[in-house]
Amino acid sequence: GAVVSQHPSWVICKSGTSVKIECRSLDFQATTMFWYRQFPKQSLMLMATSNEGSKATYEQGVEKDKFLINHASLTLSTLTVTSAHPEDSSFYICSARSSREQYFGPGTRLTVT
Amino acid sequence: GESVGLHLPTLSVQEGDNSIINCAYSNSASDYFIWYKQESGKGPQFIIDIRSNMDKRQGQRVTVLLNKTVKHLSLQIAATQPGDSAVYFCAENIQGGSEKLVFGKGTKLTVNP
Repeated sequence: GAVVSQHPSWVICKSGTSVKIECRSLDFQATTMFWYRQFPKQSLMLMATSNEGSKATYEQGVEKDKFLINHASLTLSTLTVTSAHPEDSSFYICSARSSREQYFGPGTRLTVT
Repeated sequence: GESVGLHLPTLSVQEGDNSIINCAYSNSASDYFIWYKQESGKGPQFIIDIRSNMDKRQGQRVTVLLNKTVKHLSLQIAATQPGDSAVYFCAENIQGGSEKLVFGKGTKLTVNP
């Protein structure tokens, strides 16, 4: 099946700094990518939908200035958590859509100290 | 295994038994539903899907049932094995300005040897 990768798989950063997470579709082109956030023992919550070459669409309650999404190519989307705070600590999962199928990455564990 | 609040409902079964995991979805216009398995620290893994014009779909050891009247979805796992232990999520494909997958709250399945 199609493969989606994320980098890094885990990251620890200090409060107030920014961190970038990459999502790549390795063997297919993804016109649409999605970013989810998952807190412990909870479900995946959709943060935003990004289409290649256009601005991301954010879900209600997600701050677009805090979670910057760039979908510069058909195989790469990035999520930048700006001015991170401990409450941003979470598991961030990206997903890439190819025609009608949607594939998920392995997730990135972010810990803000 | 209905979801209530923020705590994952749990289901514990003996190895070899059949498991039934339930899910209620929210949008009557959703046209496509997917069951995912998530192991600790990993991204969701596709199990089986069903379109809204079907009531039942079978895979290898798994069956998905869809009841659109009450907006209910279930996943049946036959001859459950210890390797089936994980959290299971249903997701619905919501149509609208842009399609997106929205996840249910999940059920933690524990298979006892």
